[in-house]
Amino acid sequence: SQQGEEDPQALSIQEGENATMNCSYKTSINNLQWYRQNSGRGLVHLILIRSNEREKHSGRLRVTLDTSKKSSSLLITASRAADTASYFCAPRGSGNTGKLIFGQGTTLQVKP
Amino acid sequence: GAGVSQTPSNKVTEKGKYVELRCDPISGHTALYWYRQSLGQGPEFLIYFQGTGAADDSGLPNDRFFAVRPEGSVSTLKIQRTERGDSAVYLCASSPGQGRITEAFFGQGTRLTVV
Repeated sequence: SQQGEEDPQALSIQEGENATMNCSYKTSINNLQWYRQNSGRGLVHLILIRSNEREKHSGRLRVTLDTSKKSSSLLITASRAADTASYFCAPRGSGNTGKLIFGQGTTLQVKP
Repeated sequence: GAGVSQTPSNKVTEKGKYVELRCDPISGHTALYWYRQSLGQGPEFLIYFQGTGAADDSGLPNDRFFAVRPEGSVSTLKIQRTERGDSAVYLCASSPGQGRITEAFFGQGTRLTVV
C-alpha cells in the first residue's frame, strides 16, 4: 500500500530551534502531503508537494521531495511551543483510489 | 457548515451494543473518508466514499463494521456487537473531488469507549 513511514518517531527540541522530520515511501507518487495532529484529534493539512516539485515553502515550513530516493522531509524553522504535535506524511500514488494512508507519525515536543 | 462535523464527540457504550457515528462533510465535497486511531498510532484507513458509493472499503476490519452515505453527503459508520478492542478515536475527512491533488479536511473525531 502507499504508506509513508516517518522518522524519527519522536523528537524533542528547544523553542527557537529547527525541527526536521523525514518520510520514506515505496512506490511512485502523484503528490505527497504533510499533516499535523494536536492532542489526538483531527488532522490539519500543512502542505502538499507534487511529484514534479523538489521544494516548497509555506511560512516557517519547508518541504523537500526526492523522488529518486522516495523520500521527503519537513523542516519547521524557529520552532514554537505551539508546534508541539504529531506530524504525518501521506504519499498519494498515481494509481490509487484517492485514499490517504498514514504512518505512525513523528511526535514533536518543543520545550519553551 | 464551515468544517467537517462529527457527532457525538464522545460515546461510551457497553460491549455487545450497536453504535452509529455520524459525519457531516464540508458542503460540496464528494470524497469522504473514515479512519480509526488508537492511542500512539497513526490513523488507520477504514473506508472511502466517492459520492454515494464506497470506492474502497478494504480497511474495514470485519463484517461488524459498515458505513453508508445514501445521499452523497452525510455518512454514518455503524458498528455492531461492539468489542473492547473497538475503542478508539474515529476520524472522518472530506475532500472536494476525485482529483488526487486535493487535500483532505478532518473533523475532530468521535472518541468511542467500549466498556
